[in-house]
Amino acid sequence: GEKVEQHESTLSVREGDSAVINCTYTDTASSYFPWYKQEAGKGLHFVIDIRSNVDRKQSQRLIVLLDKKAKRFSLHITATQPEDSAIYFCAASSGTGGYKVVFGSGTRLLVSP
Amino acid sequence: DMKVTQMPRYLIKRMGENVLLECGQDMSHETMYWYRQDPGLGLQLIYISYDVDSNSEGDIPKGYRVSRKKREHFSLILDSAKTNQTSVYFCASSNTYAEQFFGPGTRLTVL
Repeated sequence: GEKVEQHESTLSVREGDSAVINCTYTDTASSYFPWYKQEAGKGLHFVIDIRSNVDRKQSQRLIVLLDKKAKRFSLHITATQPEDSAIYFCAASSGTGGYKVVFGSGTRLLVSP
Repeated sequence: DMKVTQMPRYLIKRMGENVLLECGQDMSHETMYWYRQDPGLGLQLIYISYDVDSNSEGDIPKGYRVSRKKREHFSLILDSAKTNQTSVYFCASSNTYAEQFFGPGTRLTVL
């Protein structure tokens, strides 16, 4: 089955810098790649997704890139703010398993003032 | 108001006791999920439900069962809880192939 690896377990940046979180997946049939944010003591909250028919998507300060050939996707957070500090999860879904989504292990992002 | 609720938020049980975790959603989503979250492991899918009485095993279903008798409610049952089932459990719902909405989680401790 699908496996999603999230490469950075922790990431520290200064406020205003960019942060990049990288993920790889194994199933070439995967076509849907969402990202979620989890703040301390809370559930996950959807932030952005990308589908395999595009290789770039932007929503305000968030940019997602998808490289299907390398089976790699990444989340770029530009002009980081302290409130961006959280755990970020990447995920992938092929659709062949219904609506099952496989999550990465999470990246703890710390944005310091 | 799009919301997923979970009850209880915190629960302490002894090994061998039965556990019932409940989840509700007000979005009429067909699909609902139960995950557990353990440090360093991300979220692992326990069960997925595609609609009332249409449930499917996830990646780690052993030791768990589910019940969905109404579209808006999805229950996770642990018969005779084990200490290795100590975890944070999340319920989520989604509409077809799209973003999932998560509840706030239930922290379960099995002593």
